[in-house]
Amino acid sequence: SAVISQKPSRDICQRGTSLTIQCQVDSQVTMMFWYRQQPGQSLTLIATANQGSEATYESGFVIDKFPISRPNLTFSTLTVSNMSPEDSSIYLCSVEAKPHRFGPGTRLTVL
Amino acid sequence: KQEVTQIPAALSVPEGENLVLNCSFTDSAIYNLQWFRQDPGKGLTSLLLIQSSQREQTSGRLNASLDKSSGRSTLYIAASQPGDSATYLCAVKLGWGAQKLVFGQGTRLTINP
Repeated sequence: SAVISQKPSRDICQRGTSLTIQCQVDSQVTMMFWYRQQPGQSLTLIATANQGSEATYESGFVIDKFPISRPNLTFSTLTVSNMSPEDSSIYLCSVEAKPHRFGPGTRLTVL
Repeated sequence: KQEVTQIPAALSVPEGENLVLNCSFTDSAIYNLQWFRQDPGKGLTSLLLIQSSQREQTSGRLNASLDKSSGRSTLYIAASQPGDSATYLCAVKLGWGAQKLVFGQGTRLTINP
């Protein structure tokens, strides 16, 4: 079963800056997913990342704010751009598997 | 639009009790349902996965049931322990071609020694 790691595990950032979160999987996977969990809330899908094509974004999320890269079948990055305090959340990557598996998350605090 | 609801939002019980967590969903056309555990500030750990054709799944002290026609799932925890304290999330997958999971808000469980 896939083992997923994320970097950084947490970060505190200033308003207006950007942060890139990395997700590494120990096996090749077709689809990777990025979720956001705002404080006290459940998980919401940001986008689906396929290797070799542009990411597919869910309603309410746009590429300019959350650019995603998927250079190969084991790695993806999510950038949170021009951050505001409302972006303070846990960001989790996930892979399609039985069962669906999640990384440990990146806890982001924006001041 | 599929909506997933979990009741109660929080639950506190003494150690050793058996308990049931509830999950309901509005659209019965699901592919599968999954229960996760989340410890504070951490990622998600998968507990049980039930396919739409199944009625229940068991793992150790955990038993999850699925009644697709009524849009309900329950997670039964037997002989609860303080280490079971966490937030429990249910999520439905909408279809074979739909990769997205739709999550409930979670039940925050506290087991008191």
